Amino acid sequence: DAMVIQNPRYQVTQFGKPVTLSCSQTLNHNVMYWYQQKSSQAPKLLFHYYDKDFNNEADTPDNFQSRRPNTSFCFLDIRSPGLGDAAMYLCATSRQSGSTDTQYFGPGTRLTVL
Amino acid sequence: GQNIDQPTEMTATEGAIVQINCTYQTSGFNGLFWYQQHAGEAPTFLSYNVLDGLEEKGRFSSFLSRSKGYSYLLLKELQMKDSASYLCAVLDSNYQLIWGAGTKLIIKP
Repeated sequence: DAMVIQNPRYQVTQFGKPVTLSCSQTLNHNVMYWYQQKSSQAPKLLFHYYDKDFNNEADTPDNFQSRRPNTSFCFLDIRSPGLGDAAMYLCATSRQSGSTDTQYFGPGTRLTVL
Repeated sequence: GQNIDQPTEMTATEGAIVQINCTYQTSGFNGLFWYQQHAGEAPTFLSYNVLDGLEEKGRFSSFLSRSKGYSYLLLKELQMKDSASYLCAVLDSNYQLIWGAGTKLIIKP
């Protein structure tokens, strides 16, 4: 089935130790998004790619970086995780940017920072 | 600023009907989405409204009034599996999704 896949589902890291979360999609969508969601809060958009064009939200900390080596894969790198970065990280895709296309989400990666 | 308001939590009984309201103030409007999110899982798409009126999809219906900046999600014949958070999200003039914090729906037998 066409879908959005995130690995791992649960990630534990040490304070300050770099961590990478991965997302892949078989929908062949042009746009991929990374959201951060803390408990009982709205998802917060960190950045998105339209094809290879990277779009960073103004308030996304420099600690968060992203890579999209090809259409199918997108990575979220947290260079020096702090305790405040513990959250669910959601990857989503849509066919086009700047449109009403629905965003489809992966299952998320829950990050714990010790 | 942009703002989406929804109740934090609601409780309903299995088999009953519940209406979850959402009001919004955004810079422009290109449609409103409802997503369902079970605890610890990703949001899943429920509905999209861009024109005024009611859209029905099985047990779930979504209503929009653009002039009032208001939407609701109506769930009928509630089942225990409907226990989840329901998120309202609006596409603004830049086609950015502005999210509400979600309404946690608790279903009791």
